[in-house]
Amino acid sequence: KQEVTQIPAALSVPEGENLVLNCSFTDSAIYNLQWFRQDPGKGLTSLLLIQSSQREQTSGRLNASLDKSSGRSTLYIAASQPGDSATYLCAAKGSSGDKLTFGTGTRLAVRP
Amino acid sequence: NAGVTQTPKFRILKIGQSMTLQCTQDMNHNYMYWYRQDPGMGLKLIYYSVGAGITDKGEVPNGYNVSRSTTEDFPLRLELAAPSQTSVYFCASSPLKDLNYGYTFGSGTRLTVV
Repeated sequence: KQEVTQIPAALSVPEGENLVLNCSFTDSAIYNLQWFRQDPGKGLTSLLLIQSSQREQTSGRLNASLDKSSGRSTLYIAASQPGDSATYLCAAKGSSGDKLTFGTGTRLAVRP
Repeated sequence: NAGVTQTPKFRILKIGQSMTLQCTQDMNHNYMYWYRQDPGMGLKLIYYSVGAGITDKGEVPNGYNVSRSTTEDFPLRLELAAPSQTSVYFCASSPLKDLNYGYTFGSGTRLTVV
């Protein structure tokens, strides 16, 4: 059974700092790994998707990496802004291709 | 682009009442999912469907039922509401053929059972 863990559970940084969010998964036989953003009381917004054959994906100030052999993914946020404050969730799609397993999320606060 | 639409956004139920959470997508996605999110926790899969007429249980199906009569709609039924079902419910969809495609989520239904 796939288990996904995110560390830290919460993070507070000053504006402008570069930061890394961590995601680990127990079953390396995944199809893809997806990062989501969730604002308080809102739904999930997809940020980046890394296919199993890829090492990283970039979108603006966000960069996500994937190391299947070690069961890890990281989300790098450059030059953080207060608007980046949200909960960030990672989710692994299993090798059967039909289900996502979510981590518990990292709650990020960027202080002005 | 409506995407995935969930109704209602909020609902308060009394113990033992029943209700249906509605989910509709207009992207012709074959896969649809229902998740629940408890405070401070990740999302847990309740039920999913790989196409019209096909449904399957996820991690936490007890107390829920689903049906999938059309590609567009995937309603979630609570028959006898219990306080343990207080949660935020999310519906999601994804395409069939490209298994590397991401998911699209609805904005959620916040349910309180009192």
